[in-house]
Amino acid sequence: NAGVMQNPRHLVRRRGQEARLRCSPMKGHSHVYWYRQLPEEGLKFMVYLQKENIIDESGMPKERFSAEFPKEGPSILRIQQVVRGDSAAYFCASSRPTENTEAFFGQGTRLTVV
Amino acid sequence: AQSVTQLDSQVPVFEEAPVELRCNYSSSVSVYLFWYVQYPNQGLQLLLKYLSGSTLVKGINGFEAEFNKSQTSFHLRKPSVHISDTAEYFCAVSPLTGTASKLTFGTGTRLQVTL
Repeated sequence: NAGVMQNPRHLVRRRGQEARLRCSPMKGHSHVYWYRQLPEEGLKFMVYLQKENIIDESGMPKERFSAEFPKEGPSILRIQQVVRGDSAAYFCASSRPTENTEAFFGQGTRLTVV
Repeated sequence: AQSVTQLDSQVPVFEEAPVELRCNYSSSVSVYLFWYVQYPNQGLQLLLKYLSGSTLVKGINGFEAEFNKSQTSFHLRKPSVHISDTAEYFCAVSPLTGTASKLTFGTGTRLQVTL
């Protein structure tokens, strides 16, 4: 049973480009969460999605950031027109719909904006 | 809203010595409590969680934590650490209502175990 898969592991983008981060949850998990970890800080909640629905996006920046979890395929976190301050590690976690007291984390995507 | 405070950003300790990593939280509602470990360039792995019942919780790798409601604390302990325990440790909480996987994390404590 594969764990939460995130790709790419490392992503370098120039300022102004778009970044697309992918997350495939564990088998049987239909809840996906995205977190951002800035250097020397803890993880901060960004968004919680279920298939085809955004449930809670209270942690998402108001502009340039969007997330989706389509019926088929991985969840995508999209950052448009990246800036240096977007450089961080982005982690995805998934949980089961009936037992959501344990979130399983992926290894993260480390985004560097140059 | 919830907040988590990990007062110690770094804890150096010798191998085979005991260790305690401190965690205090603030919340207007009842919460679940968690400790996660992050090894370099890796994701987070759940060490243990408190949902209800006994306030002493045992986790993986010989770690345990005690929930103290009056002091709003959830300190992590290990009686004898190993070099392989060197990692970043995060305390987290989530509200009982809604999804328990919407976590609020502390800023982390870096445990450095040396010979």
